[in-house]
Amino acid sequence: EVQLLEFGGGLVQPGGSLRLSCVGSGFTFSAYSMGWVRQAPGKGLEWVSGFSLRGTSYAASVKGRFTISRDNSKNTLYLRMTKLRTEDTAVYYCAKSDGPERLNEIEYWGQGTLVTVSS
Amino acid sequence: QSVLTQPPSVSAAPGQKVTISCSGGSSNIGINYVSWYQQLPRTAPKLLIYDVYKRPSGIPDRFSASKSGTSATLVITGLQTGDEAEYYCAAWDNRLIAVLFGGGTKLTVL
Repeated sequence: EVQLLEFGGGLVQPGGSLRLSCVGSGFTFSAYSMGWVRQAPGKGLEWVSGFSLRGTSYAASVKGRFTISRDNSKNTLYLRMTKLRTEDTAVYYCAKSDGPERLNEIEYWGQGTLVTVSS
Repeated sequence: QSVLTQPPSVSAAPGQKVTISCSGGSSNIGINYVSWYQQLPRTAPKLLIYDVYKRPSGIPDRFSASKSGTSATLVITGLQTGDEAEYYCAAWDNRLIAVLFGGGTKLTVL
């Protein structure tokens, strides 16, 4: 059974940093594209970042502030978030694609971890 | 504001059919595959459609989709009250080098 478990959400002040982790199990982690999608309270889905066989990519809203990485030996995906803004407040979902490339085809989602940016 | 445009809401009676549109451009829907997601209240989204029209195992054939030019359409037939949810389209954008989600469409089954 595929599982994605996110860790690292919480309350952080504007301008602060946070690192999210996502541990995957039940599949060959290194063979799949992985990414992060967020959802602000009462709002729609917003793709944040992805890591495919072609490399990394970011939404314009987070480029230069967020860094995605993965450790295939630990089956773990990371999202390092810096210079956080109040508008980054959202539930962050870890996302597993259905193949090595298509980041928009998310076969499995984590349960989500809440990041709150507030003073 | 999303680059993929969906109607904010649609509604229909149980048993009826509803269509949800997703309008994009030449750098996203026009040349790439489209996927669709269903998000029930207070749950994570679920993949409904990938590769424009393919259904993952377990998704009933009441859900179908297509693409024409720079627009995509999700069709749900035989509506059930359990279909009440938010629906999102998504596609890769070659110009932005990013995934785009539509703004979401809330389906109400009257």
